[in-house]
Amino acid sequence: DIQMTQSPSSVSASVGDRVTVTCRASQGISSWLAWYQQKPGKAPKLLIYGASSLQTGVPSRFSGSGSGTDFTLTISSLQPEDSATYYCQQANSFPLTFGGGTKVEIK
Amino acid sequence: QLQLQESGPGLVKPSETLSLTCTVSGGSVSSGSNYWGWIRQPPGKGLEWIGNMFYSGTSYYNPSLKSRVTMSVDTSKNQFSLNLRSVTAADTAVYYCATTATTTRTIDYWGQGTLVTVSS
Repeated sequence: DIQMTQSPSSVSASVGDRVTVTCRASQGISSWLAWYQQKPGKAPKLLIYGASSLQTGVPSRFSGSGSGTDFTLTISSLQPEDSATYYCQQANSFPLTFGGGTKVEIK
Repeated sequence: QLQLQESGPGLVKPSETLSLTCTVSGGSVSSGSNYWGWIRQPPGKGLEWIGNMFYSGTSYYNPSLKSRVTMSVDTSKNQFSLNLRSVTAADTAVYYCATTATTTRTIDYWGQGTLVTVSS
């Protein structure tokens, strides 16, 4: 199985700040990486696929980058509605695996 | 727009079988564009992929659960199902049904989730 490691586990930032979340795969997965946003009591929502492609309807302040084993999710200007937990998921092969999550809080 | 809705008991006794059904609307489980599957999330914890199934019967399971999991698709009812045998308290979680795109292997549509508690 491919293990996914996210960091940090939590981050607190102010509105307007740039926030970066990283995800590392235990082996190369090319660009087979997705990012999800989950708000309390809700199902996760797909934000980014193919490491850097924005899902339809997702604000452009979200972006993804990376390939191989190291990936990044960036929120360019944090908004109050971005308070959530973010998960990466490798899509290279079954079994699909998720990172442990990063909780983004607003100061 | 695909919509998914889980149904099933919210309480299961230890050693028994957890059974959930997902009803699909706005699309067909016979679609060749999607896998149909399940993800769970223990209270306060992260996401765990359980498995995916194609309408033809091809299935992929999490190796850690494979010995206890069975999935099936009912094309006549436009539903798919999960059976998890010999449950323990560690299986207490919110269970989501979801679709995974065959091309990107991203989980594009999710049900709202249903909490299943394993307790006597």
